Amino acid sequence: AQKITQTQPGMFVQEKEAVTLDCTYDTSDPSYGLFWYKQPSSGEMIFLIYQGSYDQQNATEGRYSLNFQKARKSANLVISASQLGDSAMYFCAMREGNDKLIFGTGTRLQVFP
Amino acid sequence: KAGVTQTPRYLIKTRGQQVTLSCSPISGHRSVSWYQQTPGQGLQFLFEYFSETQRNKGNFPGRFSGRQFSNSRSEMNVSTLELGDSALYLCASSFDPGLRTDTQYFGPGTRLTVL
Repeated sequence: AQKITQTQPGMFVQEKEAVTLDCTYDTSDPSYGLFWYKQPSSGEMIFLIYQGSYDQQNATEGRYSLNFQKARKSANLVISASQLGDSAMYFCAMREGNDKLIFGTGTRLQVFP
Repeated sequence: KAGVTQTPRYLIKTRGQQVTLSCSPISGHRSVSWYQQTPGQGLQFLFEYFSETQRNKGNFPGRFSGRQFSNSRSEMNVSTLELGDSALYLCASSFDPGLRTDTQYFGPGTRLTVL
């Protein structure tokens, strides 16, 4: 079974609008971490935001916020005020305990003027 | 602080050859992980090293091997290259994978093409 599911292969958003990228996960471990990475066409994976399973509040980092719904096992990334430079692949990832990092299949985001 | 560096950035090899990729982690980081990324299989975990010991290993054949040195730099080796080994190989470093909040930071990758 997929541990990390990203159901949106591609998303379009207009510049300055907000966009939500979906991520659901599956784990029975009470201790886990959720991560979002951005991968531009250059290939480098850029860390965006982290949410721990015990964190009471949703994580935020600048224009990025994580809509963490633990009961639904979802960790959606919200990008506010999209910019052209946000066009990239976005990956959701999870680490159970101190095990390896597992990635979803990614969502390609395209921002248009 | 310098980021994760990987060398070489691009590599072209022929089937049957072997290749060694290098990764230098962020200063102070003691863990290095390796991933293979292909259009068909996505991001797949290869192995993780911490303080010169392999902590985790993915489901790859024995042709794929790695090691970590005392300065935390890591190398991965692929022997008897196959066409299917063509991929972007990403290295990531982190401080301590035993910490729940430990975050991996990635290098720019090595793009390997096998002809």
